[in-house]
Amino acid sequence: EAQVTQNPRYLITVTGKKLTVTCSQNMNHEYMSWYRQDPGLGLRQIYYSMNVEVTDKGDVPEGYKVSRKEKRNFPLILESPSPNQTSLYFCASSPGLMNTEAFFGQGTRLTVV
Amino acid sequence: SQQGEEDPQALSIQEGENATMNCSYKTSINNLQWYRQNSGRGLVHLILIRSNEREKHSGRLRVTLDTSKKSSSLLITASRAADTASYFCATSWFQKLVFGTGTRLLVSP
Repeated sequence: EAQVTQNPRYLITVTGKKLTVTCSQNMNHEYMSWYRQDPGLGLRQIYYSMNVEVTDKGDVPEGYKVSRKEKRNFPLILESPSPNQTSLYFCASSPGLMNTEAFFGQGTRLTVV
Repeated sequence: SQQGEEDPQALSIQEGENATMNCSYKTSINNLQWYRQNSGRGLVHLILIRSNEREKHSGRLRVTLDTSKKSSSLLITASRAADTASYFCATSWFQKLVFGTGTRLLVSP
């Protein structure tokens, strides 16, 4: 089954404790991205990757890192999480960006206390 | 901000009625897409309309696009309780996919 898999689905952590949210897709898609969703603000792009070893900042990249060492994986790293990073995070992939749909993971609800 | 905006923010209708949601955006686009999200879950793609298209249909969905007004509308005909969800428009311009703030649709039996 074609899918984007995120882990964990739920995470509660403390301020400053490094964490990684994993994202994997099995559709051989080139384009992957991370979004955060906050009430009233919709989805905002954090980082995106157009292919292996090619990443770039989205609209809200501060406090996040990503890597794209393999085509299928695109982990999101929070080196020193803070409470304002409490949010619902989504990973997405698509074959490209021109006239193609994006496939979303089920989301990771992160709480930083 | 490049974000689009949906209107209304919330919509409550009865089963069988039609639901219309509007989206306005600010930048040039390659295409505009509509997604559905059920209560905090992942987004599901509904329909994509290219910048050179004016109208597109998919089942009970009808999407229009007016690039001169930088706006789009999504019509769901003969709505069902299962259509209850949040609906987002997203504009695509090369490497960026920018989402609007969403419309919450409640369809009552």
